[in-house]
Amino acid sequence: QQQVKQSPQSLIVQKGGISIINCAYENTAFDYFPWYQQFPGKGPALLIAIRPDVSEKKEGRFTISFNKSAKQFSLHIMDSQPGDSATYFCAASTAAGNKLTFGGGTRVLVKP
Amino acid sequence: EPEVTQTPSHQVTQMGQEVILRCVPISNHLYFYWYRQILGQKVEFLVSFYNNEISEKSEIFDDQFSVERPDGSNFTLKIRSTKLEDSAMYFCASSEPLIYGDYEQYFGPGTRLTVT
Repeated sequence: QQQVKQSPQSLIVQKGGISIINCAYENTAFDYFPWYQQFPGKGPALLIAIRPDVSEKKEGRFTISFNKSAKQFSLHIMDSQPGDSATYFCAASTAAGNKLTFGGGTRVLVKP
Repeated sequence: EPEVTQTPSHQVTQMGQEVILRCVPISNHLYFYWYRQILGQKVEFLVSFYNNEISEKSEIFDDQFSVERPDGSNFTLKIRSTKLEDSAMYFCASSEPLIYGDYEQYFGPGTRLTVT
């Protein structure tokens, strides 16, 4: 019940295209859903996060869509750029200060 | 911009040896965490630390692991007797949760631990 399932495992998109990564969870106590971006050999960097009281949050080219009833959330990367090539992790937490439960990650490759 | 720092960046040790991984969290943060990531796999929670004590730990965090905040700035993870399966990237993170909001956890660059 603590799992966060992420798909796809990998994604290839052309420059300018849209990358879409999906996550699903079971634990209804989760109330914070961040996305992290990780480059090889680096630590995860917080990209964007959402709380369940909103259905969508947009920051620049990155948008989170949240469907509370379906217990699903997704990351959309608009106008994908080669510099966006990285591994993206969704995560969830139940309360401030509590641990993050990560999804399995999606390796995104943006072809020029 | 404040950041979490970790040392060393890479540690090679022999099986059975003790290692200490060091972290300096962001200075005004109150919660500290260790996570690990085995090569190519997801990030896994190990332990969280608040108010000078462990607040939560995972099943991975057995008696071989310990954490300490020896002074006002450092946060350490000790593995007493390393095993081959401890080889992974270890990430320190910190957060400053307020009464409501600010769940954000900030990660350090990691220490790659290689057990031979």
